[in-house]
Amino acid sequence: DIQMTQSPSTLSASVGDRVTITCRASQSISRWLAWYQQKPGKAPNLLIYKASSLESGVPSRFSGSGSGTEFTLTISSLQPDDFATYYCQQYNSYSWTFGQGTKVEIK
Amino acid sequence: QLQLQESGPGLVKPSETLSLTCTVSGDSISNTNYYWGWIRQPPGKGLEWIGSIYYSGYTYYNPSLKSRVTISVDMSKNRFSLKLSSVTAADTAVYYCARLRYSGNDYAIFDYWGQGTLVTVSS
Repeated sequence: DIQMTQSPSTLSASVGDRVTITCRASQSISRWLAWYQQKPGKAPNLLIYKASSLESGVPSRFSGSGSGTEFTLTISSLQPDDFATYYCQQYNSYSWTFGQGTKVEIK
Repeated sequence: QLQLQESGPGLVKPSETLSLTCTVSGDSISNTNYYWGWIRQPPGKGLEWIGSIYYSGYTYYNPSLKSRVTISVDMSKNRFSLKLSSVTAADTAVYYCARLRYSGNDYAIFDYWGQGTLVTVSS
């Protein structure tokens, strides 16, 4: 099974900050990587797919990059609505795995 | 507007079978462009993929749960279901159903989710 490791687990930041979250796969997954945002008590919301494609309706301050085993999610200028937990998700051979999550907190 | 709604008992006894249904509205479950899936989240923890199904009945399960999981589809009622047998307290979680958008070359992503339903395993 492919394992996904996110870092950091928690991130403290201020409104306006540039924020970067990293996701590493235990083996190459090409660009089969997605990012989700989850707020307390809510279902996850898809942000990025195919490593860097922005889902329709998602603000352009969100961007993704990477391929192979290392990926990043960047929020260019953190907004109050962005304080949430973020998960990466990989797909390989009809199996899906999520990272453990990164909580973005108010500094 | 696509909507997914989970339904089923909120309390299940240890060793029994957890059964949930996801009713889809706003799209046909037999839409050939999509698969459908179940994901769960224990309280305060991360997301775990349980399994996925295509309308034709092809199923894919998390290896760690495979021996206890059955996912099925009912096209006549536009819904799909999850059964998880021999549950323990470790199966207590919010269970989500989701639509799986799949491209054989590029992506396999959960683009629409239900609101989730909490299932507690306790005697």
